[in-house]
Amino acid sequence: GEDVEQSLFLSVREGDSSVINCTYTDSSSTYLYWYKQEPGAGLQLLTYIFSNMDMKQDQRLTVLLNKKDKHLSLRIADTQTGDSAIYFCAETPSNDYKLSFGAGTTVTVRA
Amino acid sequence: GAGVSQTPSNKVTEKGKYVELRCDPISGHTALYWYRQSLGQGPEFLIYFQGTGAADDSGLPNDRFFAVRPEGSVSTLKIQRTERGDSAVYLCASSLGGGITGELFFGEGSRLTVL
Repeated sequence: GEDVEQSLFLSVREGDSSVINCTYTDSSSTYLYWYKQEPGAGLQLLTYIFSNMDMKQDQRLTVLLNKKDKHLSLRIADTQTGDSAIYFCAETPSNDYKLSFGAGTTVTVRA
Repeated sequence: GAGVSQTPSNKVTEKGKYVELRCDPISGHTALYWYRQSLGQGPEFLIYFQGTGAADDSGLPNDRFFAVRPEGSVSTLKIQRTERGDSAVYLCASSLGGGITGELFFGEGSRLTVL
């Protein structure tokens, strides 16, 4: 939605790190998420971060949150061809369960 | 089933027709959500069920859209007098509770094309 913005495309060489960026406008956002959508598959939750955290790491994934700038990023270390997909940033305020999604970033991993 | 199942996976219909899209959530999940994803966009919330009742239907675009979940499991999204602008992928998701930790499990979606 218009409250969550992402760049549309990212091309990365296999083995390099990918960084996908997202900005949001709702200052009451409490949970922020990254979802992955592969062709012909449903959305898959990759990770989420609570707004009182600055960073969360989970294996190859690192999420950074700058609450002051309302900026969220997802770093994928050692990017593989299987990481090619559309990545969606999403947020929800503390008193709501409805997710607001960005338009998605298409990540293409080239050999 | 192991995951959220949606049928049909593809539906082509003519303008003005009635359409039903079905969602079978993960067994035991009390919360069920419908989202709509237009081409090149992220999913947009339509409706949320907790059990049999629609706890929040504020995302339904107009009164041509209606959803039911009579037994608290399977849900059907119903669209009357379809319009070309209704063409999208309709996603269903379920979760164990209605909380906000984002543990939604999405189906593969039903792609609706209105000619």
